[in-house]
Amino acid sequence: EVQLVESGGRWVQPGTSLRLSCAASGFTFDDYAMHWVRQAPGKGLEWVAGVSWKGGSRAYADSIKARFIISRDNAKNSLYLQMNSLTPDDMGFYYCAKGVGSTWDDVFHIWGQGTKVTVFS
Amino acid sequence: QTVVTQEPSFSVSPGGTVTLTCGFSSGSVSTSSYPSWFQQTPGQAPRTLIYNTNTRSSGVPDRFSGSILGNKAALTITGAQADDESHYYCLLYVGRGIWVFGGGTKLTVL
Repeated sequence: EVQLVESGGRWVQPGTSLRLSCAASGFTFDDYAMHWVRQAPGKGLEWVAGVSWKGGSRAYADSIKARFIISRDNAKNSLYLQMNSLTPDDMGFYYCAKGVGSTWDDVFHIWGQGTKVTVFS
Repeated sequence: QTVVTQEPSFSVSPGGTVTLTCGFSSGSVSTSSYPSWFQQTPGQAPRTLIYNTNTRSSGVPDRFSGSILGNKAALTITGAQADDESHYYCLLYVGRGIWVFGGGTKLTVL
């Protein structure tokens, strides 16, 4: 069974950094692109970033470009999101999602349960 | 900045059929937009219903179907049930690895 388990979310102060992780199991991790999606409290879904199967291609939403870095460690079956210069607008649940294929233009279809990020002074 | 539009709300009677749509504020949706649809109830992670226009995700009943209608993507629910009452989000590919969600449609079954 495919499983995605996010971790790392917590309360942080504005201006600080946080690294989220997503542990994947039940599939050949390095065959698939991976993505991060977030949801602010009471708001809709927002695609944040995606990375291709080997990590060579990365894409970001304009709203977070240059502050967040998506990466993966295929040896550890893990996806990461390094978030810098956090603001209250970055607060919410962060979900990792598995692509249906290996490249960044393959949509994602399997989701984790999310990890909650709170940015508050 | 690409904007993806959805109806903010919709209602359907139990047993009825409803079609939700998803479009670009400027331009047409095509299969190359890889339109996808997700269902989310409060407090839960999203659930994938349809991806790549009309592929049902594993375990999704066939009363959910996806298509392109004119210049928009569409999600049709036939034989609506009470537990279909939920938020529905569409997702479109805009190129260079970038994806954009619509604002979501709140579906009421009554």
